[in-house]
Amino acid sequence: QQQVKQSPQSLIVQKGGIPIINCAYENTAFDYFPWYQQFPGKGPALLIAIRPDVSEKKEGRFTISFNKSAKQFSLHIMDSQPGDSATYFCAANRNTGKLIFGQGTTLQVKP
Amino acid sequence: DTGVSQNPRHKITKRGQNVTFRCDPISEHNRLYWYRQTLGQGPEFLTYFQNEAQLEKSRLLSDRFSAERPKGSFSTLEIQRTEQGDSAMYLCASSLGGVDTQYFGPGTRLTVL
Repeated sequence: QQQVKQSPQSLIVQKGGIPIINCAYENTAFDYFPWYQQFPGKGPALLIAIRPDVSEKKEGRFTISFNKSAKQFSLHIMDSQPGDSATYFCAANRNTGKLIFGQGTTLQVKP
Repeated sequence: DTGVSQNPRHKITKRGQNVTFRCDPISEHNRLYWYRQTLGQGPEFLTYFQNEAQLEKSRLLSDRFSAERPKGSFSTLEIQRTEQGDSAMYLCASSLGGVDTQYFGPGTRLTVL
C-alpha cells in the first residue's frame, strides 16, 4: 500500500522559475515530513522538513507548504538554478523513525 | 559528505552468491537504518537498529537478508543466495533519535548477474 503519493514524476522549468512538487499522504499518524534531494550516484540529502503544527516553512530558496486537513504538502523552489537539477523525494514518518518515501520527481532546470 | 560511509560502493556478483555490505554511521548516532532503492523509485525501508537492537524489519526483508549491528556502531547487511531481483542501491542512514534527521550514506550499488 503506497502511503505517500508524489507528483509530478518529472518537471522541466527555465532558470528562475518556481517548480512545485506535491505530495499526499494517507496515515494521519505521520508527524514529520522531510524533503530530500538526490543527485545521480549519491545518497539522498535532507533539504527541509516540517511538522504538522505549522502550515509553512522556509529555508533559503526552499519552502514547504503543509495542508493538514487535505493531508497534502508541497515543495516550492524559488529562483531555481541549473544546479537544482536533481531528483526530489518527499517522505513521512511517525515517531518510529521509519521513513516512507514518495516515488520521486526528476527536476530539470534549463539555463 | 554526511559522515555516513558505506562499503563497498559497487558490488557485482553472480546469482546464488552471498554478499555483505558495511555501513559506518555518524559516531554519536544511536539509530541506524537500511533502505533499498531501485531505479526510478524512492528508497524503501528494510530495517532499523537502536544501538545494537534490531527494532523493526520490513516484509521486504526475506529470510535471505540479515542485518547486524554488533556493538551499536557499524552495521552489516548480508544477502544470501542472491537473485537478480536483489539488484538495487542499498542505502544506510543514521540519526540521533527516532524523529531526528536521517543522514544517508552514498549507498552500495549491487548488480546480480
